[in-house]
Amino acid sequence: GDSVTQMEGPVTLSEEAFLTINCTYTATGYPSLFWYVQYPGEGLQLLLKATKADDKGSNKGFEATYRKETTSFHLEKGSVQVSDSAVYFCALNSGGSNYKLTFGKGTLLTVNP
Amino acid sequence: NAGVTQTPKFQVLKTGQSMTLQCAQDMNHEYMSWYRQDPGMGLRLIHYSVGAGITDQGEVPNGYNVSRSTTEDFPLRLLSAAPSQTSVYFCASSYSRTVNGYTFGSGTRLTVV
Repeated sequence: GDSVTQMEGPVTLSEEAFLTINCTYTATGYPSLFWYVQYPGEGLQLLLKATKADDKGSNKGFEATYRKETTSFHLEKGSVQVSDSAVYFCALNSGGSNYKLTFGKGTLLTVNP
Repeated sequence: NAGVTQTPKFQVLKTGQSMTLQCAQDMNHEYMSWYRQDPGMGLRLIHYSVGAGITDQGEVPNGYNVSRSTTEDFPLRLLSAAPSQTSVYFCASSYSRTVNGYTFGSGTRLTVV
């Protein structure tokens, strides 16, 4: 079945540091890939997405590239801010008759000033 | 445009009580889902619907019922609450799950004592 593995947290960075959160997946066919962000006490918000191989999703300075050869979708940001502190979830949907978003377990990011 | 609205935000139940978690969306999305979020477990799918009158089970459906009488509403019913159902519940909707992903509500934090 489908699965998502993302790096365990927590991750603690200083402001303006470079961020990478690794995400790899197992899925049938050609899944769509997503990164969601959850701020404290809130629901999940879609951060970025990619629907086919080599697509790059980007939003708010975050980027992730759909790499089919390595089944990866790593999240990166060049310079993090305190306001980026949140839990980040990698997720996929393999389409067809699969209506489920399969999530990784989440990575807690804390950015210190 | 309110998106996905969940009520209540917080609830405490006694073991054996029943209740309904409400979810409404105003985006005319066909797909709607309920997830629960537990520490270390990520998000798990409880039930989903692909349109009015159509529902199906997800990964962890036991102890929960759903119905979808309209496109807008997708309530989740706890039949006889148990401490194992203490969790944060999220409702989500989507126009196209593979292209746009899901839009999440802000969640209901349920405690069963």
